[in-house]
Amino acid sequence: LAKTTQPISMDSYEGQEVNITCSHNNIATNDYITWYQQFPSQGPRFIIQGYKTKVTNEVASLFIPADRKSSTLSLPRVSLSDTAVYYCLVGVNNDMRFGAGTRLTVKP
Amino acid sequence: NAGVTQTPKFQVLKTGQSMTLQCAQDMNHEYMSWYRQDPGMGLRLIHYSVGAGITDQGEVPNGYNVSRSTTEDFPLRLLSAAPSQTSVYFCASSYGTGGGEQYFGPGTRLTVT
Repeated sequence: LAKTTQPISMDSYEGQEVNITCSHNNIATNDYITWYQQFPSQGPRFIIQGYKTKVTNEVASLFIPADRKSSTLSLPRVSLSDTAVYYCLVGVNNDMRFGAGTRLTVKP
Repeated sequence: NAGVTQTPKFQVLKTGQSMTLQCAQDMNHEYMSWYRQDPGMGLRLIHYSVGAGITDQGEVPNGYNVSRSTTEDFPLRLLSAAPSQTSVYFCASSYGTGGGEQYFGPGTRLTVT
């Protein structure tokens, strides 16, 4: 199973773009990269998933370099409601493992 | 659709008691899983199922049993509760079995005294 490494915490201000990077040096050829968001006392919520290059949806972008050993979740123009823990997962089978996540705090 | 539902929301057990945490989904998802989350930690996979009649162990399966008799339901049984099992338990489901988007339930907060 690919191990992921993320910063423990990050601070930002409202309106800024936030980039959270995840390292996954031993990612396997078939592995996908998936990001989840979790608010206190709630289950995680899917944000975005990708395999290579760039993926964008209505809430975030995911950048994956050619070697796929890392990925960056980009949140444009964050607001106070984006304060949460963000998890990066790597895998393709059913045994997906969550790491400790990155606690993002957005300040006014 | 109700999505993924879990009952109960809160539970207090004494050491040695047994109980079943219920999980149901109405999205016809093949894949279901159980996670536990300890304070300040990420989620750890307990057991998962890729379809009715098929279950497998995750990262921390000891002390827990699961079964999958229907597509909709995936109960988690604590055989003999221990204080180390005090945690928040999340159930999740997804359409595919390839690590795609998982939908999580609201969680069950379990305290074992």
